[in-house]
Parts: sequence; C-alpha cells; structure tokens
Amino acid sequence: EDKVVQSPLSLVVHEGDTVTLNCSYEVTNFRSLLWYKQEKKAPTFLFMLTSSGIEKKSGRLSSILDKKELFSILNITATQTGDSAVYLCAVESGGGADGLTFGKGTHLIIQP
Amino acid sequence: GAVVSQHPSWVICKSGTSVKIECRSLDFQATTMFWYRQFPKQSLMLMATSNEGSKATYEQGVEKDKFLINHASLTLSTLTVTSAHPEDSSFYICSARRGGKGYEQFFGPGTRLTVL
Repeated sequence: EDKVVQSPLSLVVHEGDTVTLNCSYEVTNFRSLLWYKQEKKAPTFLFMLTSSGIEKKSGRLSSILDKKELFSILNITATQTGDSAVYLCAVESGGGADGLTFGKGTHLIIQP
Repeated sequence: GAVVSQHPSWVICKSGTSVKIECRSLDFQATTMFWYRQFPKQSLMLMATSNEGSKATYEQGVEKDKFLINHASLTLSTLTVTSAHPEDSSFYICSARRGGKGYEQFFGPGTRLTVL
C-alpha cells in the first residue's frame, strides 16, 4: 500500500521567516510527487516532481525530490500571512491504482 | 488554466435521502475523473476513479452501491450518495485529468455535505 508521511503536521512562524516542509513516501513504481496548497476549499497545484535533484521554483516557493532517499521538501522563503494554509504532498504510482495518495498535510500558520 | 467546477458547493440533507454532486471540467475534456473525500483535519482519501463511458473503479472500503458514480461525458461526472447517514458528512472533492497518468489533476472547489 502506498504511503505518504508529511512533517511537521503543524508549524507556526513569523512573517519573513523561511520554512521547510518535508514529505517522505513509499510507493510501488513511483511516477511523480506533487505538492498542493489547500486553503478553505480544494487544493491548488504547486509543483509536480518526477526527477531527482532538479529544483522547481515558483516565486518564493521551491521544491526538490530525492528518489534515492524517497523524500521531497517544499521551501517557502520570506513567508507572508497569505502563505498560511495546509500544504499537501501526494504521490502518483505508475502501475496499479490510479489517483493520488495524499499525506495528512502540514498546517502552516504565518503570524504577522 | 484548466477549471473544474462542482455543484452544489454545500448541501444539508436528512438521513436516508440521496444527494447528487456534479463535477464538470469547464475548458477541457477529462478522460478520467476522481472522487476524493476529506474528513475534518484529515487528508484527501481517494474514493473512486471514473473513466468516461465505463464503470468506476472503487477503492477498498468504499461501497459502490452507496456511492454511485456516473461519467456520462468527457466533461461531467456525478457522485450520488444514496441513503445518506450522518457518518457520510464530509467534504467531497472531485478532480479531472485530461490524459493518462503523468498528466496533472485539476481539483474542483469541493462540496460540503452535512447529513442530519
């Protein structure tokens, strides 16, 4: 059974801080790892990672995947209150079941 | 970008009634649509995968006779919760994918179901 574990489960920091969110996984026949941001409603897509060592960047957010150690990190620099959300990590396997397996998420709170 | 809508956004119903939730891909054709369920402070759990024109594939522990899925066209999938009970109260989210594995899934805004 595919498994995704995120840490920490919750994190409170001050505006301007840099945060690192972790995601480790066990999946049969790995295809991709995805990061989503979930505020009050449905998740919005951030990144899809398929190759090790290649950093993906979007503004203050960046992410990287290590397929040997089976984990990914999501970095947010110069955090703002609008970054407060639940960040979800999900994996897609290449065979068998379709759909995504999600971790429980990291609840990030940015204090002004 | 790709937009997925859900209707209704929230619904309150009495125990024993059936509720239908629609998921539409507005600007692309979705060969595959997915239904997820999210309980408070929990992550999204995949319920079923539906491909246009064929029967849905349900995850272990999800009753196919209780959660009826119809994917009649490339832009519409429906989830009907039959004989709903309070324990079915949850946030139901659909997603749509325009191709096979490796294509991005776009999520709908979700439907909050409360069963009294």
